[in-house]
Amino acid sequence: NAGVTQTPKFQVLKTGQSMTLQCAQDMNHNSMYWYRQDPGMGLRLIYYSASEGTTDKGEVPNGYNVSRLNKREFSLRLESAAPSQTSVYFCASSEPTGERSPRNEQFFGPGTRLTVL
Amino acid sequence: GESVGLHLPTLSVQEGDNSIINCAYSNSASDYFIWYKQESGKGPQFIIDIRSNMDKRQGQRVTVLLNKTVKHLSLQIAATQPGDSAVYFCADPTPRNSGTYKYIFGTGTRLKVLA
Repeated sequence: NAGVTQTPKFQVLKTGQSMTLQCAQDMNHNSMYWYRQDPGMGLRLIYYSASEGTTDKGEVPNGYNVSRLNKREFSLRLESAAPSQTSVYFCASSEPTGERSPRNEQFFGPGTRLTVL
Repeated sequence: GESVGLHLPTLSVQEGDNSIINCAYSNSASDYFIWYKQESGKGPQFIIDIRSNMDKRQGQRVTVLLNKTVKHLSLQIAATQPGDSAVYFCADPTPRNSGTYKYIFGTGTRLKVLA
């Protein structure tokens, strides 16, 4: 099992360019998440998908869109990149069971380091 | 609003010594906490969790202590090794109607292990 995979690992964009960050998981999890991580800010949730066919906003959704393509894949799109979106982006997945236990553990991908000039 | 935060951004510990990483939370209703470890260039990984009906939980070389009175928890690592060098986060999963959990991550403490 590869777990959660993300592409690309690194990306440099110019202001105004668009791009899509890809995420896939092979653990058959229903829920998937996109976070951004900035120095001194911890991890902040951008969007999440509780199950295939649903998406919801997290703490910092502005400037982003997401697509839950199927159960395995959850992509994050920047339509018009801004320097404030320079960050490390993490995708995660989990299997909700209705109980707070390690079974609700979020499994994270290796991250995408994005720089917007 | 709710918050979960660690006390120190950086902690330096001599190899072989014990490490203690502290975390404070603000939501009195919080009843479950998870600690994550994030090594350089990688995503966070689950270490250990604790429910509010417990004061202490032990894993392999790690112990988490929970003090609900002062809304504080700590992660103790025994005999710290170079492989323990990482950023450590405490997180407070709160349930959403969708069946998923909202994780509020603290800002993290970077543990540096000195040879």
